[in-house]
Amino acid sequence: DTGVSQDPRHKITKRGQNVTFRCDPISEHNRLYWYRQTLGQGPEFLTYFQNEAQLEKSRLLSDRFSAERPKGSFSTLEIQRTEQGDSAMYLCASSPPRGKASGANVLTFGAGSRLTVL
Amino acid sequence: AQKVTQAQTEISVVEKEDVTLDCVYETRDTTYYLFWYKQPPSGELVFLIRRNSFDEQNEISGRYSWNFQKSTSSFNFTITASQVVDSAVYFCALSEAGAGGTSYGKLTFGQGTILTVHP
Repeated sequence: DTGVSQDPRHKITKRGQNVTFRCDPISEHNRLYWYRQTLGQGPEFLTYFQNEAQLEKSRLLSDRFSAERPKGSFSTLEIQRTEQGDSAMYLCASSPPRGKASGANVLTFGAGSRLTVL
Repeated sequence: AQKVTQAQTEISVVEKEDVTLDCVYETRDTTYYLFWYKQPPSGELVFLIRRNSFDEQNEISGRYSWNFQKSTSSFNFTITASQVVDSAVYFCALSEAGAGGTSYGKLTFGQGTILTVHP
């Protein structure tokens, strides 16, 4: 397994456009997370999936944001009508099921998708 | 609400020096987990350690050691004989177990400490 993959790595867009990011987690991990990291800050939790079910969403996730994990494998994060304040690194992470030695709360992160909104 | 504070924004040391990164946390839960992650220049966060709230034993892994003290709500990280490859941003994080007593990957991160190790 090659770890958590994110695509694209970089995205530059104009304000008002829609963007979509994709995340492919580690195959045996049933939990998938999206975080956002702005410059000089730690990552902030956005949302969490267990299999295909979205179990929690942060208040940071406005109506313009939507995340899906249709078959419990890869996930997409879409931002509609982007704003300059959306510029950030969007990090995807995954973790194994409960009971695994490595722990359901030990995250493996992808390299991130950097969004720049002009 | 939970909170993690890393008061040191940046630390600069010369190779082979020891360095300690501080982390102080706040939580109302009695069951929680503490983590350290490393973010090298490539950007990918790398897991270093997890400690649960019932295990206050200090841990050593090679040049890395961690000191967990519930009495002061601190979980400090020491790198002994630092090397240039240790240069990175280091994050401390907290995960609460919640009402069900289980913890998943919703972490609250500190702001990070930028460590620069000079040759």
